[in-house]
This record gives sequence, C-alpha cells and structure tokens, in this order.
Amino acid sequence: NAGVTQTPKFRILKIGQSMTLQCAQDMNHNYMYWYRQDPGMGLKLIYYSVGAGITDKGEVPNGYNVSRSTTEDFPLRLELAAPSQTSVYFCASSYYGGSPLHFGNGTRLTVT
Amino acid sequence: DAKTTQPNSMESNEEEPVHLPCNHSTISGTDYIHWYRQLPSQGPEYVIHGLTSNVNNRMASLAIAEDRKSSTLILHRATLRDAAVYYCILRDVESGGGADGLTFGKGTHLIIQP
Repeated sequence: NAGVTQTPKFRILKIGQSMTLQCAQDMNHNYMYWYRQDPGMGLKLIYYSVGAGITDKGEVPNGYNVSRSTTEDFPLRLELAAPSQTSVYFCASSYYGGSPLHFGNGTRLTVT
Repeated sequence: DAKTTQPNSMESNEEEPVHLPCNHSTISGTDYIHWYRQLPSQGPEYVIHGLTSNVNNRMASLAIAEDRKSSTLILHRATLRDAAVYYCILRDVESGGGADGLTFGKGTHLIIQP
C-alpha cells in the first residue's frame, strides 16, 4: 500500500514550457486535491475532484488544468510555465469530504 | 472555513510535554477542529481531529475548550522527530461536505531541543 505517489520529485522548467505532474493513490479514495506551497507559507488549494470525471477549481487555479479519468489518478497540467509557478506541489486524497487527507511527498518545481 | 490563530513558533525540550494552542473565536457549530503537521521536506500528515469532546490517539491528545473558541494539541512526550510545523484547521463538513479540502494558515513551527 503505497498511499499517495507523486512524480517527479524535482523538475526545472524554462518559461513557456509545459509539463504534467503525476499523482496516483491506491487507497480507493474518492476525493483528490492539488495544493501548492510557497516558501514559508501554508498550502493553497489549486484544484480538487470528488470522483472520476468531476473536477472543480480551488483558491488558485489560474495557469493549471486537471483531469480525473480514473479513481486512482489525478494529473496536474501546467501549459505555459511562469516564474510565479515556482513552488512545491502536493497531491492529497481522502475517502470522503470529511475524512482525513493523505498527502504525497511533493514535487519541487522551479521555473526559470 | 473560519479562521484560526496560532503562535508562529514554539520551543520545547525533548521528552517533555508540549502544548500547542489554537484560537478560533469565530468557530461555527458544525466546524470540526483538525490538526496536521508537516515534517521538513514532506507533505502534511494528519494528527487528530475533534468536534466538542477531548480526543486521544496514539500520536497526540486534543483538548477543546468548553465554548469551543480555542483548543490545544498536546504531545505528551516530545521527541526530536516531532519537530515540524503544526497546522490547526477548521473544517465545516456540513457545508459542501468538506469536498474542497483544507484551508491552511502558516501554522506553528515547533522546535525541539535535545
């Protein structure tokens, strides 16, 4: 039981490049979330999903897209990377809306 | 979700109890009090949560004031591994079913001295 797995762990992008951050969970959780954390700050919600085929915007969705074609996977897409997207990205999942969240160990992204 | 207030940092000695305070004066009747912690270079980790009564689990205890306007996370015997940022978060699962996750503040940076 791996929990929440995020890949890659680190990535450096040039301005304007695109990439997909991968997130997979093997706990059969319905709810999945993407957060970003800037240095010295708390986490901010980017997008979330309550089940396959259903996604919704969080607090800071601009510049990102998501899809949820399966229960297990919730990839986050950056289309045109900008320096403001330099951050640590965390994926999380929960069984339902009120249950504790399980987090992955993050992807550290630098855009230069 | 209602706002919480925590000290920026606290320091404690190894093997001593630690009491981490959290104020939430605007808490509503359906807000659960959640605590998470984030170890260096890791994602947040669930610690404990409660509604009205005090709660205990293998990691910690949660003491909730009678008026629910404040709570305290208690680590009974701190170890160096407990050095982390601790987040106190209110979660209203009645409103939207909690589907939109958690709202994180800056938390309390707990420093453990050997």
